[in-house]
Formats: sequence, structure tokens, C-alpha cells
Amino acid sequence: EAQVTQNPRYLITVTGKKLTVTCSQNMNHEYMSWYRQDPGLGLRQIYYSMNVEVTDKGDVPEGYKVSRKEKRNFPLILESPSPNQTSLYFCASSLGTEQQPQHFGDGTRLSIL
Amino acid sequence: GESVGLHLPTLSVQEGDNSIINCAYSNSASDYFIWYKQESGKGPQFIIDIRSNMDKRQGQRVTVLLNKTVKHLSLQIAATQPGDSAVYFCAEIATVNKFYFGSGTKLNVKP
Repeated sequence: EAQVTQNPRYLITVTGKKLTVTCSQNMNHEYMSWYRQDPGLGLRQIYYSMNVEVTDKGDVPEGYKVSRKEKRNFPLILESPSPNQTSLYFCASSLGTEQQPQHFGDGTRLSIL
Repeated sequence: GESVGLHLPTLSVQEGDNSIINCAYSNSASDYFIWYKQESGKGPQFIIDIRSNMDKRQGQRVTVLLNKTVKHLSLQIAATQPGDSAVYFCAEIATVNKFYFGSGTKLNVKP
């Protein structure tokens, strides 16, 4: 089954404790992206990747890092999480960006205390 | 998740009626638009897309209309069912690699 898989689905942690949210897709998609979703604000792009070893900032990259060492994986790293990063996070992938819809994972709810 | 639905405009319709959900986009250079459905606890799910060289596209029970003059997009759902209850939002690609998403409309289908 074609899917985007995120882990963990839920995480409660404390300020300053490094965490990684993994994302994996099995569709051989080139483009992958991370979003955060906050009430009333819609989805906002954090980082995206056009292909292996190619990443770029989205609209809200502060406090986040990503890597793309393999085509299928695109982890999101919070080196020193803060409470304002409490949010619902989605990973998405698409075949390309030329008029291609993105496929989303089921989300990761992060709570930073 | 559940908090996605907070603070959103809500459209309530009776089961069997048609629903129309609207979206205004911001960039006149956008050339590709997508409608997504998001159910509680799940990620956005692709419904239908449309390119800027079209003004209408139909799918199964859904129709998307694009009015480039006023930068307006609408999603029409025919014979709305309880399973259609969700948050719906539009997305536009304004430049290569960048997707912009609306904040969404919550559709509530009354049986």
C-alpha cells in the first residue's frame, strides 16, 4: 500500500530535549516536505526536499533541522525543543512539484512542556 | 486531529443536500490548485485538483470550479453524506516547490 509513515504519532517531552520525528514513504517520490498545523493557521511549510541531499527552508524553519540521506526518508529534528513548537506535524511527499498533489502521513502530535 | 477544527468557519448541511465550500487564493501566478479533506486524527487526503488552464473539473460526486478573475476556488459535493464530515481546505502552488494552504472549512453533515 502506498503510504507516508510518521513516527511517533504522539510525543510529550520537555524543553531542550532533542527529538527526531521520522518520515518514510514507499512511493519513490522525489519531493518531501514537513508542515506544522496550528488552529486557525492552516498548514505551514517547515522544510522541503527536492531529492536526496537537497533540502531548503519553508516558511517557518526556525528551530528545526532536516536531512535527506535516502530518497524514502526525511526526518525532522528538533535540537532544542521549546513550548512554541507544540503542534501537529505532517510529512508529505509527491512525485515532483510540477502540478502533483502531495500525499500526507497521519501526523505527529508533539507537546513540549 | 480534533484541534484542527477549532476556530474554523463551519458549514452545516443536511444529508443528501449539495455542499459548496469556498476558498480565496492570494497569488495570481498560481497555476495549480488542490482540494484536501482532513478527518479527525488523520492527515489531509487528496480529493481533486485543477490546473489554471481549466475552470471546471469533475470527479466522483465532487466538482471544483476555478475563477481566476476573482482568485476564487470552490468545491461542490453532491448528495452530501455523513462520511463527508471533515475539514476541507484548498492548496495552491504559487511557485515551484512551494505549496500554500488555506486554513479550512469544517463541514458538518446532519443526518
